[in-house]
Amino acid sequence: QVHLAQSGAEVKKPGSSVKVSCKASGDNLRNYIISWVRQAPGQGLEWMGRIGMGRISSIPGIQKYAQKFQGRVAITADRSTDTAYLELSSLRSDDTAVYFCAREMGAADFNSWGQGTLVTVSS
Amino acid sequence: QSVLTQPPSVSAAPGQTVTISCSGGTSDIGNNHVSWYQQFPGSAPKLLIYDSNKRSSGVPDRFSGSKSGTSATLGITGLQTWDEADYYCATWDSSVSAVVFGGGTQLTVL
Repeated sequence: QVHLAQSGAEVKKPGSSVKVSCKASGDNLRNYIISWVRQAPGQGLEWMGRIGMGRISSIPGIQKYAQKFQGRVAITADRSTDTAYLELSSLRSDDTAVYFCAREMGAADFNSWGQGTLVTVSS
Repeated sequence: QSVLTQPPSVSAAPGQTVTISCSGGTSDIGNNHVSWYQQFPGSAPKLLIYDSNKRSSGVPDRFSGSKSGTSATLGITGLQTWDEADYYCATWDSSVSAVVFGGGTQLTVL
């Protein structure tokens, strides 16, 4: 079983950036994919992108971003500590949401989730 | 607006059966497996069904998934009050190389 622990809540000004972390622990951490999914207040789930951890990271095309966030999002990883990061820049009020990381077992199969990180964008 | 279409809400009485539909197209559901998630307020989603019809570990057999063409269905039999939650479908969209979610369905157990 994999446990994902995310960093704490953030309050940001419009136009600034935020970086959220997601640390994995547990069994079977050799090769896996971490995706980021966000949920605005009262809204549905929205996939933002993903990154490979371990040897799988070298497979072409593993790292992806949703078109909507291209140019504004960066998903990186420190594979030595099994930590993935989501950085979102040029923040707007409609970026206010809970941001989840999730371990991807197969395409769209997320069997472990972080607890979520609330990012509030407000002047 | 979500790529996958779900009914905003469904309701049924305890003990009854309910189905939740998820409609897509050829580039998403039509050529990829579907997953289903259950989410309670203030909590992370939980994987119920993957590969369109396989139950995730620990999920009761009251939950089932099926797929036909460009649509998928989540079935819940013997409804319990604690099944009241939001349910989301998800799949890969090959045309944009991205995961797409349905808009979610709120289940009310009357």
